[in-house]
Amino acid sequence: AQSVAQPEDQVNVAEGNPLTVKCTYSVSGNPYLFWYVQYPNRGLQFLLKYITGDNLVKGSYGFEAEFNKSQTSFHLKKPSALVSDSALYFCAVRDVGGTASKLTFGTGTRLQVTL
Amino acid sequence: DGGITQSPKYLFRKEGQNVTLSCEQNLNHDAMYWYRQDPGQGLRLIYYSQIVNDFQKGDIAEGYSVSREKKESFPLTVTSAQKNPTAFYLCASIRESTGGYGYTFGSGTRLTVV
Repeated sequence: AQSVAQPEDQVNVAEGNPLTVKCTYSVSGNPYLFWYVQYPNRGLQFLLKYITGDNLVKGSYGFEAEFNKSQTSFHLKKPSALVSDSALYFCAVRDVGGTASKLTFGTGTRLQVTL
Repeated sequence: DGGITQSPKYLFRKEGQNVTLSCEQNLNHDAMYWYRQDPGQGLRLIYYSQIVNDFQKGDIAEGYSVSREKKESFPLTVTSAQKNPTAFYLCASIRESTGGYGYTFGSGTRLTVV
């Protein structure tokens, strides 16, 4: 079975500072990894994904994530946070060898960026 | 523009009443999904369908039913057997059931029991 852990319910960052939102995963084979962002009363928006290749993945709105196979992690990062980045962030994983295209989501991390 | 449309945005259900949430996509995606979102619990899979006229139960299917008569449509019925239906419901689709594709999500339906 595949699973995702987001150990922090909330991350607080001052605007202009770097941010990290943590994610670890568990799959039986190789993973497809995703980050999504959700604004209040809205669906999830795709930020970035890791499929294969370079361990550093760049995505929308200046976000990036680093795939670390040995630590089974896929942390989301941004060099300089903006107040408008405040939202709920979800990490998701899918087993490459899985027969169904189900994504398993973490419980979400609320990012609060303050002035 | 292609996308997923969920309706209604807000829905109120009386005790013992069945309600149906609509999900329509014009992305020509093969697979469609229904998730339930509760505060602090992330997204939990209710049902999914990889092809027309076929669907599978997810992790929390009890009290829900679906149909997939057309590729574009995947409605979810919340039955009276669902004892705690108040939640935010999200529909998603994916281009095909294999490959490194992520989901496209609708904007959600907030269901409240009154």
